[in-house]
Amino acid sequence: QVQLQESGPGLVKPSQTLSLTCSVSGGSISSGSYYWSWIRQPAGKGLEWIGRIYTSGSTNYNPSLKSRVTISVDTSKNQFSLKLSSVTAADTAVYYCARLGGGSYFDYWGQGTLVTVSS
Amino acid sequence: DIQMTQSPSSLSASVGDRVTITCRASQTISSYLNWYQQRPGKAPKLLIYAASSLQSGVPSRFSGSGSGTDFTLTINSLQPEDFATYYCQQSDSIPLTFGGGTKVEIK
Repeated sequence: QVQLQESGPGLVKPSQTLSLTCSVSGGSISSGSYYWSWIRQPAGKGLEWIGRIYTSGSTNYNPSLKSRVTISVDTSKNQFSLKLSSVTAADTAVYYCARLGGGSYFDYWGQGTLVTVSS
Repeated sequence: DIQMTQSPSSLSASVGDRVTITCRASQTISSYLNWYQQRPGKAPKLLIYAASSLQSGVPSRFSGSGSGTDFTLTINSLQPEDFATYYCQQSDSIPLTFGGGTKVEIK
């Protein structure tokens, strides 16, 4: 059973860079034809896809965030990471990592981690 | 971007009711449509993928239909654990986008 777990600071100051890591267990991040994604959800609001990465390192980002987002993968650690630069209060949200099965549906999710942007 | 519009945004129903939630895409997405359930404080859970395929382990009272631009999630005989928010998501093109959600509440 694949499990994902987000980790990283819960509080980030405005204009700084948000950094999160997703650790994958129960299987190799490199096995199978999967993309690995980040999704966020502001309190009381809907879901926003941030981007995805294939284990080759190929990425796709949401154009609304593309200029500020970097997603990377470390296959040796079975992890992938998110960096979001120049954050503002609007970036405050629960951030989820997820596996993109069949290239199109999120079949495994982390529990989510709340990141608050505040001075 | 493909816009996904769900209706209604909320509904009240009783245990045992049949519930139908609709999702409309701003352009045709074939059958690249997935449904999720999210309970408060929890991560979303995949229910239906490719418009009508039931994810392993999901009760058969959940079903999905549709293609092109119009899709439906049906819950037959609503159970207490089904009171949650439901989201559709298109996977036809990047960026992947979600509907705004439908909250199913107890009447």
